[in-house]
Amino acid sequence: EVQLVESGGGLVKPGGSLRLSCAASGFTFSNAWMSWVRQAPGKGLEWVGRIKSKTDGGTTDYAAPVKGRFTISRDDSKNTLYLQMNSLKTEDTAVYYCTTIGAAGAWRDVYYYYYYYMDVWGKGTTVTVSS
Amino acid sequence: DIQMTQSPSSLSASVGDRVTITCRASQSISSYLNWYQQKPGKAPKLLIYAASSLQSGVPSRFSGSGSGTDFTLTISSLQPEDFATYYCQQSYSTPPGAFGGGTKVEIK
Repeated sequence: EVQLVESGGGLVKPGGSLRLSCAASGFTFSNAWMSWVRQAPGKGLEWVGRIKSKTDGGTTDYAAPVKGRFTISRDDSKNTLYLQMNSLKTEDTAVYYCTTIGAAGAWRDVYYYYYYYMDVWGKGTTVTVSS
Repeated sequence: DIQMTQSPSSLSASVGDRVTITCRASQSISSYLNWYQQKPGKAPKLLIYAASSLQSGVPSRFSGSGSGTDFTLTISSLQPEDFATYYCQQSYSTPPGAFGGGTKVEIK
């Protein structure tokens, strides 16, 4: 069974740091692109960032509100995804989900396109930033 | 950045009703549009990807359509377990990710 389990959430003061982990099982983690999505209390979903597989370059992308403060990394030997969060702000308070990124390919005219989506989600871990 | 706008933000419907939710992109995103369902206190669940492809295991009463800037999610006959919040998400731009604001489907 494909499973993602987040951990590391908690209460932290503004300006502080926290590292979230996401333990993956049931699939070949090293081949997977992964992402983090968050949801502030009573609000909608917000994409945080993604990391590609090392085979595809291992590059990362981030949403503007977290760029320069958050870092996504992976340890394929431990089947674990990380989110290092620095310089935390009260507006970073949210449930943080890790997800796998699936892809489906299709031909359109003479070109082959990949469609990406977040297909497996963990249950989330709660981060509260407050003094 | 691409903005995603959903409408309505909430709706009330009865079991058996046909329900349609709209998502509009601020620029053309071809068919790079996904739909998710989220129930209170739970993680989101993928329903539709590439605008109209049904994710494995999702009931066939769910369908998606559209391309370019205008998309719809349709539930052909609303069931009790479908009361939830629905989000669209574009995967066109790099980096991807923008979600719509959500549509809450409530019991009438």
